[in-house]
Amino acid sequence: DTAVSQTPKYLVTQMGNDKSIKCEQNLGHDTMYWYKQDSKKFLKIMFSYNNKELIINETVPNRFSPKSPDKAHLNLHINSLELGDSAVYFCASRNGGGSQYFGPGTRLTVL
Amino acid sequence: EDQVTQSPEALRLQEGESSSLNCSYTVSGLRGLFWYRQDPGKGPEFLFTLYSAGEEKEKERLKATLTKKESFLHITAPKPEDSATYLCAVQASGANSKLTFGKGITLSVRP
Repeated sequence: DTAVSQTPKYLVTQMGNDKSIKCEQNLGHDTMYWYKQDSKKFLKIMFSYNNKELIINETVPNRFSPKSPDKAHLNLHINSLELGDSAVYFCASRNGGGSQYFGPGTRLTVL
Repeated sequence: EDQVTQSPEALRLQEGESSSLNCSYTVSGLRGLFWYRQDPGKGPEFLFTLYSAGEEKEKERLKATLTKKESFLHITAPKPEDSATYLCAVQASGANSKLTFGKGITLSVRP
């Protein structure tokens, strides 16, 4: 029944490693997003895909690479992890009225 | 650049004590204003979308209103389970415009 799901929920890793976070939505939406929420709880958009096409790419280091194999999935791969990458990452999808529905989040801790 | 300012940062209420949360915004043509609720350790949960000044929407004890410069989330007779962080976001006109979030208001309702 889950609308937007993410895996894993927690990710603890060493600096310099490469990791991926997966996202899937079963709402039939065409547009999906990745957000980063920092320690002060501020939500900031990173990327948006519409029907597998990148449409928003905020000022994000190119160590972050989103990939959308189909319109129901949007994965986030991060190379050479840094301490400052520690945050909660949220996936979301958007309906035709503009309302976005968020996943449960992935808490990334870089040691 | 689109901006969203929420106030106060934190609000403590007694159960049954009604109050309002403020969201002031500047945007180049408003496509929509969105309210979300976020519980600790979870993703933002969609509450309301408002599209034009004068519009109001209600859900249980919550009522959202919109003017050309701000939105209010009125909470009538709150209960402890209303305790959460409430996020406001705006989306500018334009097919692929992003959501810009405020920093949120943390509401605590004491029994």
